[in-house]
Amino acid sequence: SYELTQPPSVSVSPGQTASIACSGDNLGEKHVCWYRQKPGQSPVLVIYHDTRRPSGIPERFSGSNSGNTATLTISGTQAMDEAYYYCQTWHITMVFGGGTNLTVL
Amino acid sequence: QVQLQESGPGLVKPSETLSLTCAVSGSSISSGSYWAWIRQSPGKGLDWIGSIYHSGHTYHNPSLKSRVTISVDTSKNQFSLNLRSVTAADTAQYFCARDPTGTGTAYFDIWGQGTLVTVSS
Repeated sequence: SYELTQPPSVSVSPGQTASIACSGDNLGEKHVCWYRQKPGQSPVLVIYHDTRRPSGIPERFSGSNSGNTATLTISGTQAMDEAYYYCQTWHITMVFGGGTNLTVL
Repeated sequence: QVQLQESGPGLVKPSETLSLTCAVSGSSISSGSYWAWIRQSPGKGLDWIGSIYHSGHTYHNPSLKSRVTISVDTSKNQFSLNLRSVTAADTAQYFCARDPTGTGTAYFDIWGQGTLVTVSS
């Protein structure tokens, strides 16, 4: 079965750039999206179709996808960005990454 | 705006059937979107269960397909999940969500608040 691999945790200082990777076989040939989930809340879509931001998502969120790796980048990270982030794609079935806990400290 | 609301029992006995409904408001369920069920076990990641179109076309997670029925009721603007023969491993927060693209294979832009279902005797 197809798997998406994310680092369990990423730490970043306020104001710096956070990068969260999501890897899978030939992932660059598929569309990837990203969700943010804070404790006790439902996931929120922050990036779709690799690079597109839904309305209401700050410009500091961006995405890329090439080769075997998709990356979510948060520029000028703020304390409010602290959350779990999940990548997702479709390969015969819907596949989610295991999630990355972003800590802003 | 479009809102989704899950409803159903919070406690189900082992070997019985888990039944949930997702009410759609602010949009017709026949609008061209797919509608999905996703679950999250306590402290774990997201697990897609399946998706349905208003025509009744469905996609299923192969690992759950033998136990899952997803149905749609366009007259009530809602869709439902039945998960048979549940065990403690099915204890999770269950979310309904919308894939707006009409493909059923893209992404989920609207999520319900989720409902916790515990499997226990």
